[in-house]
Amino acid sequence: EVQLVESGGGLVKPGGSLRLSCAASGFTFSSYSMNWVRQAPGKGLEWVSSISSSSSYIYYADSVKGRFTISRDNAKNSLYLQMNSLRAEDTAVYYCARDNKLNYWGQGTLVTVSS
Amino acid sequence: NFMLTQPHSVSESPGKTVTISCTRSSGSIASNYVQWYQQRPGSSPTTVIYEDNQRPSGVPDRFSGSIDSSSNSASLTISGLKTEDEADYYCQSYDSSNHRVVFGGGTKLTVL
Repeated sequence: EVQLVESGGGLVKPGGSLRLSCAASGFTFSSYSMNWVRQAPGKGLEWVSSISSSSSYIYYADSVKGRFTISRDNAKNSLYLQMNSLRAEDTAVYYCARDNKLNYWGQGTLVTVSS
Repeated sequence: NFMLTQPHSVSESPGKTVTISCTRSSGSIASNYVQWYQQRPGSSPTTVIYEDNQRPSGVPDRFSGSIDSSSNSASLTISGLKTEDEADYYCQSYDSSNHRVVFGGGTKLTVL
């Protein structure tokens, strides 16, 4: 069974940093691209970043470029999102999702940016 | 860059059929596959349609997807509506020009 489990969310002050993790199981993690998608309270889905299976290709939404860094460790079946210079508008539930069709999602982890 | 536009909300009665549209602003809707996700309150999104018209295992055949090049749009049709279908539905595609995932704004389906 495919499982994606996010962790690392929490309350952080504006300008602060946070690192999210996504632990994958039930499939060959190293064979799939991965994504981070977020959802602000009461809002729709917003794609944040993608990383190819071997980390060769990395893409970001304009809203996070230069502040967020996606990475992965295929040996640990894990996906990461390093978030720096956080803003109030980054407050959201952050989901990891598998491949370009996002056919599997985790349960999400809430990030709250507030003073 | 393109956008995907969905109606904000739709409503229909149990047992009826509803169709949710997803219109691509530029470029051909057929250029990249469209996926549809269902999100119930408090839950993560789940795929109900992938690759325009394919149903994942476990998704009832009451759910179907299609694309229409003449209107440059994709559609999700749910027949025999049940109260459990009440949820937010999002379309999604991929922008090959800038390697970005694109979501529609979401449609709230009310079954009453």
